Amino acid sequence: NAGVMQNPRHLVRRRGQEARLRCSPMKGHSHVYWYRQLPEEGLKFMVYLQKENIIDESGMPKERFSAEFPKEGPSILRIQQVVRGDSAAYFCASSPESRDIGQPQHFGDGTRLSIL
Amino acid sequence: EDKVVQSPLSLVVHEGDTVTLNCSYEVTNFRSLLWYKQEKKAPTFLFMLTSSGIEKKSGRLSSILDKKELFSILNITATQTGDSAIYLCAVRAMNYGGSQGNLIFGKGTKLSVKP
Repeated sequence: NAGVMQNPRHLVRRRGQEARLRCSPMKGHSHVYWYRQLPEEGLKFMVYLQKENIIDESGMPKERFSAEFPKEGPSILRIQQVVRGDSAAYFCASSPESRDIGQPQHFGDGTRLSIL
Repeated sequence: EDKVVQSPLSLVVHEGDTVTLNCSYEVTNFRSLLWYKQEKKAPTFLFMLTSSGIEKKSGRLSSILDKKELFSILNITATQTGDSAIYLCAVRAMNYGGSQGNLIFGKGTKLSVKP
């Protein structure tokens, strides 16, 4: 009964490098959400994906950030040419399909990204 | 702009006390309100509320929603040191033609329970 799995738990990058964050949703969940949490701030929505589709990317910066959720394998959040301001905790959440009121999102432990 | 405001931002109590955490919201096309508990790692789901006036209860925790006044409260009775955490309130609005959608989070209430 594995929960949402994120890796790595901690990631250190130098300015200008690329960061790749991975998320495997809970078994049976087809919806994936990425959130960013800055110190002393709440979780901020970035992107919502279903298998092979981006449903809502309104919270994701237009440049340097991209996300995918392929047919096979985990969802990937990619940050190119990282800058100091990208340092944050990135959380992934998943939920099952629902056509009614929606289902609770269940969160992974997050990836703490530090930019040197 | 949609927003969720939690109060207080932090709270220190002693074991055995009862606490009430507040969450108010302004969201178009409201669907549900959720409470999470965040310790050092993943936010852990507590409650999802969709209807006004119906209390949800789990052990010493309970929550209720008022859709007319646009707020929710989370009560914790007989607090224990293990209740120390950040409690997050989040609201989901309907969008993109379906019931699913992202959550809009408040900044959280940091609860510290002293022995």
